[in-house]
Order: sequence, then structure tokens, then C-alpha cells
Amino acid sequence: QVQLQQSGPGLVKPSETLSLTCTVSGGSISSSSSHWGWIRQPPGKGLEWIGTIYPSGTTHYNPSLKSRVTMSVDTSKNEFSLKLTSVTAADTAVFYCASGDIRFWGQGILVTVSS
Amino acid sequence: DIVLTQTPLSSPVTLGQPASISCRSSQSLVHSDGNTYLSWLQQRPGQPPRLLIYTISNRFSGVPDRFSGSGAGTDFTLRINRVEAEDVGVYYCMQSTEFPLTFGGGTKVEI
Repeated sequence: QVQLQQSGPGLVKPSETLSLTCTVSGGSISSSSSHWGWIRQPPGKGLEWIGTIYPSGTTHYNPSLKSRVTMSVDTSKNEFSLKLTSVTAADTAVFYCASGDIRFWGQGILVTVSS
Repeated sequence: DIVLTQTPLSSPVTLGQPASISCRSSQSLVHSDGNTYLSWLQQRPGQPPRLLIYTISNRFSGVPDRFSGSGAGTDFTLRINRVEAEDVGVYYCMQSTEFPLTFGGGTKVEI
């Protein structure tokens, strides 16, 4: 059974960069047809797809965030990461990592943007 | 971008009675490979979303058979055969036919 464990700070200052990591266990991040993603959920609101990354490094980003998002994969550590630059209060949300087929999800991290 | 519109926004239900949620897409979700990548997720209070149904009607592992999905093209439905107390939460449809991936706005199921 694949499990995803998220890590990263729960508080980020405005204009700084949000960085989160998702470690995959119970399976290889490089397995055939695998891909991985990030989704966020502002408090009390719905789900928003941030982006998807393939083990090759190919990425697809939400156009609304594309200028600020970078996703990467570290196959040696079986983990993938998210960076979101120039954050504002509007980026406050619970951030989830998930398998690309959304069968498996991380536990979620509430990231608050505040000084 | 593909817009998914869910109705109703909120669904008061009675235990043991059926419930259904509709998801309408702004364009066909049929992929060039012939599959339709429409999924349903459940989010219980305080928990991450959980996959219930994928490719319109396939139940994910461990999902009770009281949950079923149907539809084609642009119109899809999630049905709960007999609602149980543990089914309370918000339900989302999601399309992964094309990027950007998009979610419906959610339907709150409450007793």
C-alpha cells in the first residue's frame, strides 16, 4: 500500500517561498505510469489542482499559478517537492500531495501565510 | 479549462435512504484513448479527500458497494444506495482527461 508523508513549515511570511516535500513509501516513485501531484484547499473552500510531475521531470502546472510554481522529483529519496514563490495571504491553504491517479493522498499540511 | 458544475450544493439526507449528486462538464470528458477520466472523491470533516470512483463507474479498493457512479460525455452521477452516518461529508467530482485538472465545487451531504 502506497503511503505519502508530507513535510514542511506551517507558517510562511508574505513574499517568501513556500516549500513542501512528499515522501513516498510502499512503492517506487519511478514505477511505470506513475505520476504525482499537489492539490490545495483554502480554509472552508474547495479543492484546487496545483500541478503534476512525472518521474522524468515533466511537469504540468495550473495556469493560474504557473509563474510561481516549481515541482521537482528526487528518485534517490523517493520524494517529490513543491515550491511556491511570492506567497500572499491568499495562498493560505491545506496543501495535499497525492498520487497522480489520486488513489493515495498525504495527510495534508495547513500552510498559513502571515508575518 | 474544463468547468465541472455539481448539483446540489447541499443535500440533506435521511439515513437508509438514497442520495445522488450530479456533475456536469463544460465539455466532453472522453479522452483520445477512449476512456473518460471522471472521478468522485469523498472528504470527511478534517480528513484528506478519498477516492471513491474512477473512470465514471469503477469503485476504488475498499469502497462500499452502496456507492456507484454512472454517466457519459458531459453528465455524471454519484449515487449512494442507502446513506449511512459515516457518509457525511463533502463530495467532489474531478476530471483528469486534460490539463489543467479541475474539480467540481463540492456537494455537502448532511443528515
